[in-house]
Amino acid sequence: GDSVTQMEGPVTLSEEAFLTINCTYTATGYPSLFWYVQYPGEGLQLLLKATKADDKGSNKGFEATYRKETTSFHLEKGSVQVSDSAVYFCALGSGAGSYQLTFGKGTKLSVIP
Amino acid sequence: GAVVSQHPSRVICKSGTSVKIECRSLDFQATTMFWYRQFPKQSLMLMATSNEGSKATYEQGVEKDKFLINHASLTLSTLTVTSAHPEDSSFYICSAAPPGAGTDTQYFGPGTRLTVL
Repeated sequence: GDSVTQMEGPVTLSEEAFLTINCTYTATGYPSLFWYVQYPGEGLQLLLKATKADDKGSNKGFEATYRKETTSFHLEKGSVQVSDSAVYFCALGSGAGSYQLTFGKGTKLSVIP
Repeated sequence: GAVVSQHPSRVICKSGTSVKIECRSLDFQATTMFWYRQFPKQSLMLMATSNEGSKATYEQGVEKDKFLINHASLTLSTLTVTSAHPEDSSFYICSAAPPGAGTDTQYFGPGTRLTVL
């Protein structure tokens, strides 16, 4: 079945540092890939997505590229801020109009001033 | 963006009692809602899909008689954990999807922390 593996945290970075959170997946067919973010006390919010190979999703300075050859969707940001402190979830959608999402375990990011 | 609320945010109960968790879509009608469970340091696991006016569809391994789901209106789904036991302690998260929405249009609630003593 489908699965998502993302790097375990927690990750602690200084403000303005470069961020990478690795995510790899296993799926049949042509899944869509997502990054969700969960700020303290709030629900998961869609951060970015990519629906086909070589697509790049971007939002709020975060980027991730759908790499079919390496089955990866790593999240990157060039300069993190304290306000980026949250838990980040990589997820896979089986597509074909399905709502089914398979999540990674989440990576907690703490950014210190 | 759309808002989904959950109530309560935290609940502590005694073993053997039942607990009801509510999930509401506050500014849109949700024909489909989802219930997830998250153990510490684990990913969200889909428990069931709830469709308004019909029976919920449970994922393999989820006991439907233990986790009762009711989606009686387009803005409310409830999850009742019946005869709760300590192993049911977990973080329960719901999401809601507007009609015709795709996979990326699920809106998530903030979650409910259940502790069974």
